[in-house]
Amino acid sequence: NAGVTQTPKFQVLKTGQSMTLQCAQDMNHEYMSWYRQDPGMGLRLIHYSVGAGITDQGEVPNGYNVSRSTTEDFPLRLLSAAPSQTSVYFCASKLFGTVESTDTQYFGPGTRLTVL
Amino acid sequence: KQEVTQIPAALSVPEGENLVLNCSFTDSAIYNLQWFRQDPGKGLTSLLLIQSSQREQTSGRLNASLDKSSGRSTLYIAASQPGDSATYLCALWIKAAGNKLTFGGGTRVLVKP
Repeated sequence: NAGVTQTPKFQVLKTGQSMTLQCAQDMNHEYMSWYRQDPGMGLRLIHYSVGAGITDQGEVPNGYNVSRSTTEDFPLRLLSAAPSQTSVYFCASKLFGTVESTDTQYFGPGTRLTVL
Repeated sequence: KQEVTQIPAALSVPEGENLVLNCSFTDSAIYNLQWFRQDPGKGLTSLLLIQSSQREQTSGRLNASLDKSSGRSTLYIAASQPGDSATYLCALWIKAAGNKLTFGGGTRVLVKP
């Protein structure tokens, strides 16, 4: 298994540009999520999904869109990039989508995004 | 709102010393608690998961305890090595937060040879 993969590893955008961060997992996990990590702010949840066709907002969803058309993929779209979106983005997944499940969450290697 | 706190934010110990990392939380109604390790510039690696009904979990030199009544979890790393240098984060699945993982701020550990 490749686990959780993310592309690209690094990206530089200009203010106002749009782009999609890719996330894929090959473990048939129901639950997938996106976090951003900023110095002094820790890890904050952006969006999550408990299965194909189902998405929900996390703590900091503004400026980001997600979709879950397949179990494997969970792309994160920046609609109009802003300097405040400069961050490291992590995708994560776990086997079951139910909140009561006690399974481990696995993280991807991250995407470092800079918005000028 | 649930607060998850890790104190201290940074810790430096000589090689061979035992590490004790703390995680405190305000809401004891949790599903489980997970400890992660993060190396600089890398993603998070899961170390241990403690279910709400458990008191501790062990893996090699690592032992994590959970005391819901006092809102605390402790990660013990025995006989620390320079390779243990990393940031350690605790995270909780909290019933009131829904289907979301809530993270502490992390403790950055440096083990000196």
